[in-house]
Amino acid sequence: DAKTTQPTSMDCAEGRAANLPCNHSTISGNEYVYWYRQIHSQGPQYIIHGLKNNETNEMASLIITEDRKSSTLILPHATLRDTAVYYCIVTVTGGGNKLTFGTGTQLKVEL
Amino acid sequence: GAVVSQHPSWVICKSGTSVKIECRSLDFQATTMFWYRQFPKQSLMLMATSNEGSKATYEQGVEKDKFLINHASLTLSTLTVTSAHPEDSSFYICSASPGTLHQPQHFGDGTRLSIL
Repeated sequence: DAKTTQPTSMDCAEGRAANLPCNHSTISGNEYVYWYRQIHSQGPQYIIHGLKNNETNEMASLIITEDRKSSTLILPHATLRDTAVYYCIVTVTGGGNKLTFGTGTQLKVEL
Repeated sequence: GAVVSQHPSWVICKSGTSVKIECRSLDFQATTMFWYRQFPKQSLMLMATSNEGSKATYEQGVEKDKFLINHASLTLSTLTVTSAHPEDSSFYICSASPGTLHQPQHFGDGTRLSIL
């Protein structure tokens, strides 16, 4: 699985968009980008995943650059409940394959 | 959506006892489940891959005789920490996937294990 690099921490004002970047410059053509988040003392929660097209669901949007070497997770209107550690994971098969968690980005949403 | 249930959520026991943790996929069948461990202020580390009907695959450095994994059905995997000691105190988390190749894994809420 390709290695990912994320900022250690970010702050965001409540109600504003939170944009979380992830670099994955060694991504292979058949690897997907998955995003999970972990709220304190809970198991990770799946957010979204994509291969090369931008994706959107009820939780977030995923923007993948054309060369696929980086991506951005967008929480359009962050709330206090979005405070969590966000993990960007690159893997060929997100379901059947083990996931390698890096250190992630600690997002703190403040009033 | 896919739901994974983990039980118990919190357990305290004396050193030397064995503790069993259950992981269930509630609304889908899971051929493969995964067990992770997380120490305070650290990220999740995979311990083992649990395969229904066959032996688990353990990551390097994880003692298979200490962390017994059983995956007896397509909806249940168990992790037993045998002869637990204080250094085994950690947050244990399981995950499972409905099985199609690119569908995401879903995680249980974890089990906080404290060994006195």
